[in-house]
Amino acid sequence: EAGVVQSPRYKIIEKKQPVAFWCNPISGHNTLYWYRQNLGQGPELLIRYENEEAVDDSQLPKDRFSAERLKGVDSTLKIQPAELGDSAVYLCASSLGTSGTNTGELFFGEGSRLTVL
Amino acid sequence: GIQVEQSPPDLILQEGANSTLRCNFSDSVNNLQWFHQNPWGQLINLFYIPSGTKQNGRLSATTVATERYSLLYISSSQTTDSGVYFCAVEVWNFNKFYFGSGTKLNVKP
Repeated sequence: EAGVVQSPRYKIIEKKQPVAFWCNPISGHNTLYWYRQNLGQGPELLIRYENEEAVDDSQLPKDRFSAERLKGVDSTLKIQPAELGDSAVYLCASSLGTSGTNTGELFFGEGSRLTVL
Repeated sequence: GIQVEQSPPDLILQEGANSTLRCNFSDSVNNLQWFHQNPWGQLINLFYIPSGTKQNGRLSATTVATERYSLLYISSSQTTDSGVYFCAVEVWNFNKFYFGSGTKLNVKP
């Protein structure tokens, strides 16, 4: 069974440029997450989807970040325009679903490492 | 939000040594996972352990939810165990995981 797939693995851009990351979750997983991991820290949640609905985007900087999960399967995270401080690893994860009390086991993709110059 | 504290922050071991990593959390949780982040950045699932004890080869984990901590045991460590170990917890009804800052392990040959 394929795991969580992300692309691109690496991206180097100049500040003020746009960038987009793509994620395909494990087949059948209803819940999809985007996390950001800064150097030396643990991942921090940006947005969580249940199917196609964004149910928690409280940590997403909405002035420059946007995300979508059309048809409740794969997802795209966009930054426009990028700033120097956006340099980080962007991780996508998925879980089977939410029962309202337990999300189930979380599985991560390999991540997309962004460098903003 | 919930506080997740991992200790020690850094650990250096000689190959073959044993170690215990600790994760303390400040609230009741219904879900806890341990991950190993390898040098290439991939987060690998080690244990899904909301409570109780599990073992997988040289690794084992115990979560005592009532006392708000979890332990990860690594026995007979190998150089491939090097990397960062993260604990992540999910709080009841919040449906999102909070991560600790990790324990960075370096196993020397």
